[in-house]
Amino acid sequence: EAGVAQSPRYKIIEKRQSVAFWCNPISGHATLYWYQQILGQGPKLLIQFQNNGVVDDSQLPKDRFSAERLKGVDSTLKIQPAKLEDSAVYLCASNRQLNTEAFFGQGTRLTVV
Amino acid sequence: TQLLEQSPQFLSIQEGENLTVYCNSSSVFSSLQWYRQEPGEGPVLLVTVVTGGEVKKLKRLTFQFGDARKDSSLHITAAQPGDTGLYLCAGLTGANNLFFGTGTRLTVIP
Repeated sequence: EAGVAQSPRYKIIEKRQSVAFWCNPISGHATLYWYQQILGQGPKLLIQFQNNGVVDDSQLPKDRFSAERLKGVDSTLKIQPAKLEDSAVYLCASNRQLNTEAFFGQGTRLTVV
Repeated sequence: TQLLEQSPQFLSIQEGENLTVYCNSSSVFSSLQWYRQEPGEGPVLLVTVVTGGEVKKLKRLTFQFGDARKDSSLHITAAQPGDTGLYLCAGLTGANNLFFGTGTRLTVIP
């Protein structure tokens, strides 16, 4: 089966600009996660969707970050306006149900200059 | 937000040595997973432990879930250069939240 697809792989933007990332999870996976991973650290959960509903967005900086999962399939994560500290890898993952493996995309490496 | 602290943060050892990585939290999880991440890639699952006190073995890797389901350990026997990578523990809650630990970067020197 196809894996989790993310695009773009790399993005460089200036601070105060906006950027969007796209994720297409594995077919049939109801749960979709977005993570932010700063170099050398573990991934930090930003938002979790169950189908097209938000389960947890407690760590999402809602003044600048937004995410949606229309139709319960693919998802977009947006940052507007970007700050220097947003430079990180943004990972998307999906799983079918509780206690099962989460499959990750290759991530989008964002550099804010 | 559930915090999972891993120790050590960095580990550099010689090929053939043994090592243990610890994952500790004050929260109870429905299950605990261990992932390994290579540069430029997403984490890949190594194992899921579900029952308190459970021990699972995967070749030279032994994983243990604490009795109280708050902590876990990963033991590698006779480490090889191919074991080099970032090891991440992750706790799953009843709502299918998946929280990652702080990570342990392992380097095995030939």
